[in-house]
Amino acid sequence: QSALTQPASVSGSPGQSITISCTGTSSDVGAYNHVSWYQQNPGKAPQLMIYEVTNRPSGVSNRFSASKSGNTASLTISGLQAEDEADYYCSSYTTSSTLVFGGGTKLTVL
Amino acid sequence: EVQLLESGGGLVQPGGSLRLSCAASGLTFSTYAMTWVRQAPGKGLEWVSALSPSGDYTSYADSVKGRFTTSRDNSKNTVYLQMNSLRVDDTALYYCANQDTSGKWLYFNHWGQGTQVTVSS
Repeated sequence: QSALTQPASVSGSPGQSITISCTGTSSDVGAYNHVSWYQQNPGKAPQLMIYEVTNRPSGVSNRFSASKSGNTASLTISGLQAEDEADYYCSSYTTSSTLVFGGGTKLTVL
Repeated sequence: EVQLLESGGGLVQPGGSLRLSCAASGLTFSTYAMTWVRQAPGKGLEWVSALSPSGDYTSYADSVKGRFTTSRDNSKNTVYLQMNSLRVDDTALYYCANQDTSGKWLYFNHWGQGTQVTVSS
């Protein structure tokens, strides 16, 4: 149950787009379309941003989009805003009937 | 509105035990799987365990298997995490969470605010 691999940090200027990758294996990300993404602000509980690879829960901005190719999933935030600055985590269901999170990515809006 | 409220955290010595509780409201509790996720200080999220709606199916992370047990009392809308043989690296904020689809635990729409567990001598 190794954690999914995410970049430790990404940054972008307001209005730009950024992409966060999430690399797993054929036993997790590559096995199912059960990849989700969470945003976590300091001192707060995580918030679901994307589920089942590409779906946004109601209330999540359409500036957030996601995709998957093989063993790698990606989260893209377009039209970057200061309020997007947070930690982002991916997660995936696994062939062992467990769940695994990525190590997290700190997004800095410059 | 779904609310999850964890309790039971505290300071415990290595090798000790602790039982966490998560009281749920605003949902038909007995139809939803429940999950525990933890976050060590300054670290990322780690999935800990999942429990089926009836309580007859459980799944655990390798890091806690054999030491932690999750259970539920559907009459009290509460899920529990019994933690035994605690280690220093179990120190974390423990969240309960659930997916708003009956019986599933593939992602989590609802999260509690967490309860802090500190394992230290």
